[in-house]
Amino acid sequence: EVQLVETGGGLVQPGRSLKLSCVASGFTFNNYWMSWTRQAPGKGLEWVASITNSGGSTYYPDSVKGRFTISRDNAQNTLYLQMNSLRSEDTATYYCTRDSGGFDYWGQGVMVTVSS
Amino acid sequence: DIVMTQSPSSLAVSAGETVTINCKSSQSLLYSGNQKNYLAWYQQKPGQSPKLLIYWASTRQSGVPDRFIGSGSGTDFTLTISSVQAEDLAIYYCQQYYDTPYTFGAGTKLELK
Repeated sequence: EVQLVETGGGLVQPGRSLKLSCVASGFTFNNYWMSWTRQAPGKGLEWVASITNSGGSTYYPDSVKGRFTISRDNAQNTLYLQMNSLRSEDTATYYCTRDSGGFDYWGQGVMVTVSS
Repeated sequence: DIVMTQSPSSLAVSAGETVTINCKSSQSLLYSGNQKNYLAWYQQKPGQSPKLLIYWASTRQSGVPDRFIGSGSGTDFTLTISSVQAEDLAIYYCQQYYDTPYTFGAGTKLELK
């Protein structure tokens, strides 16, 4: 059974940093691209970052480029999202997803609240 | 960026009805190299993570009931739910994965009449 379990969320002040983790199980992690997608409270879905299966390439929308960094440890079956210079508009539930013709598996999500 | 426009934004239905949700992309999602449309549909129930229903515009994800049908090509796509059941009440999103930034439609909320 495919499982994606995110951790690391919480309350953080504007301008500070936070690192999310996603532990994957039930599939061969290093065969798949992975992504992070977020959802602000009561709002729609926004793609945040993607990484190739080897970790050699990463992709971001302009809204987080230069502030967020996606990475992975294939030996530990773990995906990361390092978030720096956080803003109030980054407040959202962050989902880890497996990429395979769309995002075919999603984690339960982790809440990040950016507030002073 | 590819803009995804979904309509309607909400829909009130009775159980047993057939509903249609539309999704239009600002540029073609059909890749000539493999003749595939890079379009997915998701269902999100309250308090839950989104769930993939349809990918490549018309391929049903494993375990998804066959009353969910995806169709369309190029820039115009449709999700049809035949004989809506109470468990189908949710928000539905389309998404293009043709090019980064991957983008989602704003969602269609399916409610009970």
